[in-house]
This record gives sequence, C-alpha cells and structure tokens, in this order.
Amino acid sequence: AQSVTQPDIHITVSEGASLELRCNYSYGATPYLFWYVQSPGQGLQLLLKYFSGDTLVQGIKGFEAEFKRSQSSFNLRKPSVHWSDAAEYFCAVGGGSNYKLTFGKGTLLTVNP
Amino acid sequence: SAVISQKPSRDICQRGTSLTIQCQVDSQVTMMFWYRQQPGQSLTLIATANQGSEATYESGFVIDKFPISRPNLTFSTLTVSNMSPEDSSIYLCSVEGQGDGYTFGSGTRLTVV
Repeated sequence: AQSVTQPDIHITVSEGASLELRCNYSYGATPYLFWYVQSPGQGLQLLLKYFSGDTLVQGIKGFEAEFKRSQSSFNLRKPSVHWSDAAEYFCAVGGGSNYKLTFGKGTLLTVNP
Repeated sequence: SAVISQKPSRDICQRGTSLTIQCQVDSQVTMMFWYRQQPGQSLTLIATANQGSEATYESGFVIDKFPISRPNLTFSTLTVSNMSPEDSSIYLCSVEGQGDGYTFGSGTRLTVV
C-alpha cells in the first residue's frame, strides 16, 4: 500500500531564511509525487509534481523539490521564504494506473517577520 | 489544467439532515475524486466517480452515507447523509489533469450542529 510520511508537523522560519520540508513515501512502482499548498480556508494548490525525468523539479512561487529514489524522498525547498508562504504543505504520492492520491499529514509553516 | 467550481463553499447544517455538494469541471474528465479533510487532518479519499457507473468507495466509506452521482463527464455531486457533528469537515472534489497533476476544487466547509 502506498503511504506518505511528513515528519515535521510544524516548522517556523524567519522571513528570508531557507526552507526544506521533508517527505518520504512508500510506493510499489515508480511514483508520481506532488506537493500541494493550502492556505487557511482555501482549497489545495499544486506547487509542483514529479512524473519522470529530471529529479530536480521546479514549481511555482520559487519552490523546488528533489526526487531521491534511494532515499524514497521528495523534499520541498525554497531558498528564501516570504511571509505569504505561511500555509500548510502536503506531500502526496499516486497517479499512474492507480489514479489515487495518498496524502501525508501535512506540515504547517509559520513565517516570522 | 482543469478549473473546478465547487459549491456550496460552506454550510452549517442540523444533525440528521443531508447536504449535497456539487462539482462542475470546465472540461470533460473520466474520473472525479471526492476527499474529506477533517479538522487539523490530512485529506482522505472517499470515493472515485466514473461517468456511467457506480462510484468506487474506499475502506470506511459507504454509499448509504456518501451517495455520489456522476451524470456526465463534467459534473458530480456528493451527498453527506444523516449528518452528525463528526461529519464536520472540508469536502473537496478533484480531477486528474492529463499529465498536469490533480486539480482540486476550493472545498466545502461543513459544520454540523
């Protein structure tokens, strides 16, 4: 069965600092991997996705993620965080013939001025 | 990617009543997905809805509680039946965007009192 682990429930960073959100997955085949962001009271917005090819994926809002098969990880990074990045971030695995997404429990990001 | 219109955006309902949530997609899609996000939790897949066939429910979800309709390739409804306070959640619909990743509606925030 597929699963996603986001080890950090809550992370606080200062504005301008770098950010890395961790994601580990379990999937029986080549995974499709996603990062979504959810602002308070909002739906989910896709930040980036990995299907195949280059393991470093660029997304919107200056985010990137790196797929590391040997570590079963897909960590999200941003070099300089903005106050507007404060939100909840969800990593998800699935797709392909399964067409089902499994989400991690999310990481809440707080940005201090 | 597809654009999803979901309504209502929020509702407060009396226990024992039912609420029907609608999702309209701006393009034809084979499968639509319904998720539940309980307070402070991640997203859990309720069911997958294909046009012209019965929805496929995940473990722990049953058709009598969450009946789904899928009358055509751009529309689906989810009904939350005989509601109790435990059904208070955000309900989201989603579609797979043919290589663009999964797109989500803005969600329906349901409070049962």
